[in-house]
Amino acid sequence: QQPVQSPQAVILREGEDAVINCSSSKALYSVHWYRQKHGEAPVFLMILLKGGEQKGHEKISASFNEKKQQSSLYLTASQLSYSGTYFCGTEVEAGNNRKLIWGLGTSLAVNP
Amino acid sequence: GAVVSQHPSRVICKSGTSVKIECRSLDFQATTMFWYRQFPKQSLMLMATSNEGSKATYEQGVEKDKFLINHASLTLSTLTVTSAHPEDSSFYICSASRGASNQPQHFGDGTRLSIL
Repeated sequence: QQPVQSPQAVILREGEDAVINCSSSKALYSVHWYRQKHGEAPVFLMILLKGGEQKGHEKISASFNEKKQQSSLYLTASQLSYSGTYFCGTEVEAGNNRKLIWGLGTSLAVNP
Repeated sequence: GAVVSQHPSRVICKSGTSVKIECRSLDFQATTMFWYRQFPKQSLMLMATSNEGSKATYEQGVEKDKFLINHASLTLSTLTVTSAHPEDSSFYICSASRGASNQPQHFGDGTRLSIL
């Protein structure tokens, strides 16, 4: 039920690009992306509500493929401030309700 | 906008003590609040979901008598860890949402609880 994030960890040089994937075995209603820096709380990046939807936040964008039950987060021309752990949250059916299930996270380190 | 305040940020106390953690949404009405526990370098583990004015829904394996949650208003939820023991030591984080599960969750800064 927990979405699978890949890769588990990425190390980049400043200015390089990265892609983080989030894949679920269940049908998804939406996908949420958050970034957490060490010792801090997660910070909301974006939500994708519809299949095919793409969004952007600074040089970070994401896509949602509803049919494949997966989402990808794209980090372009990475900055030092992008370092942290990225979590995807997948909204799935849970009984009579919907629920957000979190992935295990992808650790991203951007070095000078 | 969407600021969530969590207090205290750090607690160190003796085994057997009860500890209360507050979570406040400062600039919006939070119909739903979530309480998480996070172990070092691990994901967020949902403990319970609380909706204003109703009883919290606890996740499987979370003792409701151990972790008391109260969501008395649209801006405040509290988590009380009763008779805390060293194994309860962890990072506890709350988040607040305007309601539906497709709404963003806005997180507090977390509370690091250490039980001696």
